[in-house]
Amino acid sequence: GAVVSQHPSWVICKSGTSVKIECRSLDFQATTMFWYRQFPKQSLMLMATSNEGSKATYEQGVEKDKFLINHASLTLSTLTVTSAHPEDSSFYICSALTSGRKDEQFFGPGTRLTVL
Amino acid sequence: GNSVTQMEGPVTLSEEAFLTINCTYTATGYPSLFWYVQYPGEGLQLLLKATKADDKGSNKGFEATYRKETTSFHLEKGSVQVSDSAVYFCALNGRGGSEKLVFGKGTKLTVNP
Repeated sequence: GAVVSQHPSWVICKSGTSVKIECRSLDFQATTMFWYRQFPKQSLMLMATSNEGSKATYEQGVEKDKFLINHASLTLSTLTVTSAHPEDSSFYICSALTSGRKDEQFFGPGTRLTVL
Repeated sequence: GNSVTQMEGPVTLSEEAFLTINCTYTATGYPSLFWYVQYPGEGLQLLLKATKADDKGSNKGFEATYRKETTSFHLEKGSVQVSDSAVYFCALNGRGGSEKLVFGKGTKLTVNP
């Protein structure tokens, strides 16, 4: 149980286009979802926290107009990278919390974004 | 702010060798401490955790003890297997209802037969 999926697993796009990444909790309801970014040989950096039905809370330094997060249901959150540029190329990982186990985040497998 | 420092990798061991991956932290208050593991092609999975000083987390033969005096949470296993090859992340979250995790950079472990 407690499986989180991400789609797509990898994406290549042209500079200036927008890319949407989906994060789904497959067998539980996720009250809270987190979005992380991971650079090569670096730790995961929290980008934002989203609660179902409310606006995401972004970490300092993360542009909310650049990285749009929507958590419209208890099983789906999306991250849209708008007007992507090469410096947005990274590995994006989501995780989810369920109300019954608030001390453990369940992670998706990640999405590799490459912007040309 | 909170931070986690873990030993740089990669680490390469032979099967049945002893493993230690060091992790130290800086935090205000009394954080909970975690080790996550990421197998190739998969998402991070919680390996073990400890929520207060002197607690020992253990799972799948791995152990780590929450040492407040040295602000450490070193991961150990007495005899590694090829299937333990993965990236290991040390992490903490703050108390007071915050579920935000702060991660170390990760240590890649390769175990050879």
